[in-house]
Amino acid sequence: RKEVEQDPGPFNVPEGATVAFNCTYSNSASQSFFWYRQDCRKEPKLLMSVYSSGNEDGRFTAQLNRASQYISLLIRDSKLSDSATYLCVVNMRNSSASKIIFGSGTRLSIRP
Amino acid sequence: GAVVSQHPSWVICKSGTSVKIECRSLDFQATTMFWYRQFPKQSLMLMATSNEGSKATYEQGVEKDKFLINHASLTLSTLTVTSAHPEDSSFYICSARAGVTREQYFGPGTRLTVT
Repeated sequence: RKEVEQDPGPFNVPEGATVAFNCTYSNSASQSFFWYRQDCRKEPKLLMSVYSSGNEDGRFTAQLNRASQYISLLIRDSKLSDSATYLCVVNMRNSSASKIIFGSGTRLSIRP
Repeated sequence: GAVVSQHPSWVICKSGTSVKIECRSLDFQATTMFWYRQFPKQSLMLMATSNEGSKATYEQGVEKDKFLINHASLTLSTLTVTSAHPEDSSFYICSARAGVTREQYFGPGTRLTVT
């Protein structure tokens, strides 16, 4: 089982739709969680951190469920510019080291 | 967000030569820098983690003698691909982080093509 798993998609939704995707992680010692977006042939850019209480940034809402070990990203009123690959990132830490694991990404395509 | 630069942005080199890529954090001190490689349509693969002033920690399967990492200061890390081969052609991305639980900021990447 992969340490961080995402549905690769692609998710193809019309402009204005609401779309959500999850990311599951296997290590309960995971401490920090992030969503990044990556456009084709570009570097990943931080979209938002994910906090235990859930957090919202404009049309984007991120949630963390520690009991079930997943994080989610909800995009409301999707725009054409939201088309990208969304990467789930988990920071795992034990007594000796910290390790960052990237999911393989979920591709999102918004159509007019 | 924080700014991380990478140089060069693209490079073409001949097989057998070495290539050095620089990664700089421009407006913060990076206690840790990471080097990733990404092949087309694939996810980022972590190659190594480097902490300033200490030896890099390489991921399994990454040859430390081939991919030399130097993290000489809190704002600069370099990756040298030695004796490059065509299969080393890839998108190399660095990232920097200010603290253990802080987010990473990525450089724009270096596209390496080995002919």
